[in-house]
Amino acid sequence: AQSVTQPDIHITVSEGASLELRCNYSYGATPYLFWYVQSPGQGLQLLLKYFSGDTLVQGIKGFEAEFKRSQSSFNLRKPSVHWSDAAEYFCAVGSTSGTYKYIFGTGTRLKVLA
Amino acid sequence: ETGVTQTPRHLVMGMTNKKSLKCEQHLGHNAMYWYKQSAKKPLELMFVYSLEERVENNSVPSRFSPECPNSSHLFLHLHTLQPEDSALYLCASSQDLFQGLETQYFGPGTRLLVL
Repeated sequence: AQSVTQPDIHITVSEGASLELRCNYSYGATPYLFWYVQSPGQGLQLLLKYFSGDTLVQGIKGFEAEFKRSQSSFNLRKPSVHWSDAAEYFCAVGSTSGTYKYIFGTGTRLKVLA
Repeated sequence: ETGVTQTPRHLVMGMTNKKSLKCEQHLGHNAMYWYKQSAKKPLELMFVYSLEERVENNSVPSRFSPECPNSSHLFLHLHTLQPEDSALYLCASSQDLFQGLETQYFGPGTRLLVL
């Protein structure tokens, strides 16, 4: 079955520290992978996506993610976190199996300490 | 206005009430979606519309009734809801029907509380 796992429910980092949010997926074919961010009181905003090609993907707000097929992972990284990055982050796989949906993880809530 | 807007942002209703959620997209997209976001659960796709036709209904109870009068507007009509229906309801749109590749653009959601 297709699934997305975000093993960390909560992560706390200090401002200026580096960040890595984990995402593992289970999918039969080459996946289409996405990271979204949801700030408090807001909808989801796309950070970056991977379809094919270079496995290191650059996104908005200084985020990047690396697709590792051997590990079935698509981890999100940022070298230096800003207080405004505090939000909830969702990893998703784009399903191409005849349905029209993302398969979302349960999200990781990021707290940033000043 | 730009992007995807949703009204109301917050709604409290009793189990016998009838209410409607409204979504409007200003992006010229052809596909629209309703999602339910509950605490500690992945987002659940509820309904999918493409060019005003419903193309997917993910086993959603009949107390939720969607309506898409045109490609810019999407409604979710609610009646005789249950407390477990309390959640954040998100609307999204994409240029074309999502085939695994499309980026979806989300509205801010309606926070629904059913008493």
